[in-house]
Amino acid sequence: LAKTTQPISMDSYEGQEVNITCSHNNIATNDYITWYQQFPSQGPRFIIQGYKTKVTNEVASLFIPADRKSSTLSLPRVSLSDTAVYYCLVAPTGGFKTIFGAGTRLFVKA
Amino acid sequence: SAVISQKPSRDICQRGTSLTIQCQVDSQVTMMFWYRQQPGQSLTLIATANQGSEATYESGFVIDKFPISRPNLTFSTLTVSNMSPEDSSIYLCSVGLGHENTEAFFGQGTRLTVV
Repeated sequence: LAKTTQPISMDSYEGQEVNITCSHNNIATNDYITWYQQFPSQGPRFIIQGYKTKVTNEVASLFIPADRKSSTLSLPRVSLSDTAVYYCLVAPTGGFKTIFGAGTRLFVKA
Repeated sequence: SAVISQKPSRDICQRGTSLTIQCQVDSQVTMMFWYRQQPGQSLTLIATANQGSEATYESGFVIDKFPISRPNLTFSTLTVSNMSPEDSSIYLCSVGLGHENTEAFFGQGTRLTVV
């Protein structure tokens, strides 16, 4: 499974757009990129998944360049409730054995 | 999607004893996994719970310490045996639905404190 690297922590203010970048230089052809969000005392929750280009849902956008060696999770207009740990994972299709990296702790301030 | 119920949600146990954690899913699922999350840390995969056969353990985890059962496609248990304070952690059950994507669903976790 490809290793991922992301910033340990980030700070933001309410209403701002937050972009968290993940590096995955060894991504394989059949790997998907998935992001999870974890609040304290809860299990991780799926946010978004993509293979290439851009994916958008009601929560976030995921930007993946052509070489797929990195990806950027974009959270529009964050609120205090977006304070959480965000994990970037890379795994092949059907590869549910999900290996977590260190994650990025996002702190949203008022 | 899948709804996962874990029991107990938390427990305080004496060292040397064992605790069995239950994971119940509201639908049949292909894959079930058990994770450990120590305070302030990321999740570490303990093992894959295989239906009808022995679990597959990750490096650093052994069956004698973390025996796992999976009698059917909706239920699994993880036992933490002969506990020590170092086993104090959150234990999480996770499932995959067997579709083409890799989305996983997680339970709320069991917070274990060993005293």
